[in-house]
Amino acid sequence: KAGVTQTPRYLIKTRGQQVTLSCSPISGHRSVSWYQQTPGQGLQFLFEYFSETQRNKGNFPGRFSGRQFSNSRSEMNVSTLELGDSALYLCASSPPTVNYGYTFGSGTRLTVV
Amino acid sequence: KQEVTQIPAALSVPEGENLVLNCSFTDSAIYNLQWFRQDPGKGLTSLLLIQSSQREQTSGRLNASLDKSSGRSTLYIAASQPGDSATYLCAVRPGGAGSYQLTFGKGTKLSVIP
Repeated sequence: KAGVTQTPRYLIKTRGQQVTLSCSPISGHRSVSWYQQTPGQGLQFLFEYFSETQRNKGNFPGRFSGRQFSNSRSEMNVSTLELGDSALYLCASSPPTVNYGYTFGSGTRLTVV
Repeated sequence: KQEVTQIPAALSVPEGENLVLNCSFTDSAIYNLQWFRQDPGKGLTSLLLIQSSQREQTSGRLNASLDKSSGRSTLYIAASQPGDSATYLCAVRPGGAGSYQLTFGKGTKLSVIP
């Protein structure tokens, strides 16, 4: 059974640019969540999608956005990159009920220079 | 607002020792609690999931307990090995509104010395 796949694994971008990260969930999982991990703040929730609808959003500026496609694959976009956006971005998928846990991908390491 | 605390932030033990990692949370209204392991620069690997109605879960040398009323969970690792060296994170899934996100602790960085 394939796990959660995130692409690309590494990205280097220049301040002011925009970036798109991709996440393919486990087959059958319709819920996809995104988290940002930094040394200072730890893991912080960005947003969660289910059946192409955003159900929950964390406390991040509007530069961070996401979407989910009909096949449950998800993308997140960060516009006007800042140095502080450098982080490991993790995607997680879960079955639709709350009794199940989350499975995380390997992450995308974004470096903004 | 749910807050999750993990103490200690770092722990170093000799190989073979049994050890306990602690996790506390401020709001007992949770659906479940999940323990993860993270190796440097990698994603999270799920270790154990405990539902709010359960007291403990076991997997191999790992045992996790949950005391929801006191807001505490522990992860017990028996006969530690150098391969157990990693950062261990606990995360709670809140009940009710906002149950579609996890709140994480900052983790405990474990080093097992051969």
